[in-house]
Amino acid sequence: LAKTTQPISMDSYEGQEVNITCSHNNIATNDYITWYQQFPSQGPRFIIQGYKTKVTNEVASLFIPADRKSSTLSLPRVSLSDTAVYYCLVGSGTYKYIFGTGTRLKVLA
Amino acid sequence: DGGITQSPKYLFRKEGQNVTLSCEQNLNHDAMYWYRQDPGQGLRLIYYSQIVNDFQKGDIAEGYSVSREKKESFPLTVTSAQKNPTAFYLCASTFGGGSSGEQFFGPGTRLTVL
Repeated sequence: LAKTTQPISMDSYEGQEVNITCSHNNIATNDYITWYQQFPSQGPRFIIQGYKTKVTNEVASLFIPADRKSSTLSLPRVSLSDTAVYYCLVGSGTYKYIFGTGTRLKVLA
Repeated sequence: DGGITQSPKYLFRKEGQNVTLSCEQNLNHDAMYWYRQDPGQGLRLIYYSQIVNDFQKGDIAEGYSVSREKKESFPLTVTSAQKNPTAFYLCASTFGGGSSGEQFFGPGTRLTVL
């Protein structure tokens, strides 16, 4: 299973775009990259998933370079309610999801 | 509405007691999971089950046991052998496809040992 590395924490101001990068140097050919969001005392919530290039949905974008050794979650115009922990996961064909410590994003007014 | 329910929300246990945490899903998902989360930490996998009557140990299975007699239910028992059981416990499910499938999480159970 590919190990991921993310920044421990980030601060941002309301209205700014936030980019959180995840490194996964040992990603396998069949692995997908998935991001989850977790608020305190709640279960994580799926944000976005991708395999290569760029994926966009109503809440975020995911950028994956050609070598797939990293990925960047982009949150446009964050608000205070985006303060949460964000997890990057990689894997495929296995039921053993590996959650790291995640990135604690704090959005300031 | 489809989803995952966990009960109870809060649970207190005396040392030496076994307790069982409930997890039910009506999403018709094949796979179910149990995670443990300690303060300021990520999620650690305790057990997972791909299909009924089958389950596998995760990374921290010692002191825990599970059963999967029905597709919609995956209870977790925290036994007295678990030395430090105070934590937040999360149950999840996926339709299938391993880790390329979206996990849906329940609201969690916070267990405190008195």
